[in-house]
Amino acid sequence: DIQLTQSPSFLSASVGDRVTITCRASQGLRNYLAWYQQRPGKAPKLLIYIASTLESGVPSRFSGRGSGTEFTLTIRSLQPEDSATYYCQQLNTYPLTFGGGTKVEIK
Amino acid sequence: EVQLVESGGDLVQPGGSLRLSCAVSGFTFRSYWMSWVRQAPGKGLEWVASIKEDASEKYYVDSVKGRLTISRDNAENLLFLQMNSLRADDTAVYYCARFISSGRDSFDHWGQGTLVTVSS
Repeated sequence: DIQLTQSPSFLSASVGDRVTITCRASQGLRNYLAWYQQRPGKAPKLLIYIASTLESGVPSRFSGRGSGTEFTLTIRSLQPEDSATYYCQQLNTYPLTFGGGTKVEIK
Repeated sequence: EVQLVESGGDLVQPGGSLRLSCAVSGFTFRSYWMSWVRQAPGKGLEWVASIKEDASEKYYVDSVKGRLTISRDNAENLLFLQMNSLRADDTAVYYCARFISSGRDSFDHWGQGTLVTVSS
């Protein structure tokens, strides 16, 4: 099975900061990686697919990069509504797997 | 508007059974893969199962193989998860999700979730 390791598991940043979350895969994924945002008590929401393509309606301050085994999600200018947990997911190989999550807190 | 609405979650004893449903609307259900994802209390997301448009292919996480079964009714726009031999570690919120394949690979729409609690 492909393991996804997200780092950090928690981060605290101020409004306007640039934050980056990393997702490392135990095997190559080509570009079959997606990122989701989950606010407390809510369902996950798709942010980015195929590593770097922004889902329709998602603010442009979110961006994704990477290929192979290392991927990043960057929030260019953190906003209060970005307080959430972020997950990466690989869709290259079954079983599909998620990273452990990164909780983003606004200072 | 795409909508996915899960139902069927409940409190069930270990070893018991439950059937979850996901009613979908707003898109051509028979044209999409579908999936179930679960989230144990306070934990991360875990993919459970996926089913092809015509149900000819099904995939499961190892921990549920032989106990949980994904199925669909394309005439009624319904996705199901039959859960047998339930264990305490199956306790979770279960989400159904639309699975986009072929170039936009992702779970692009999710339901609100239904809670399954396995406890005596």
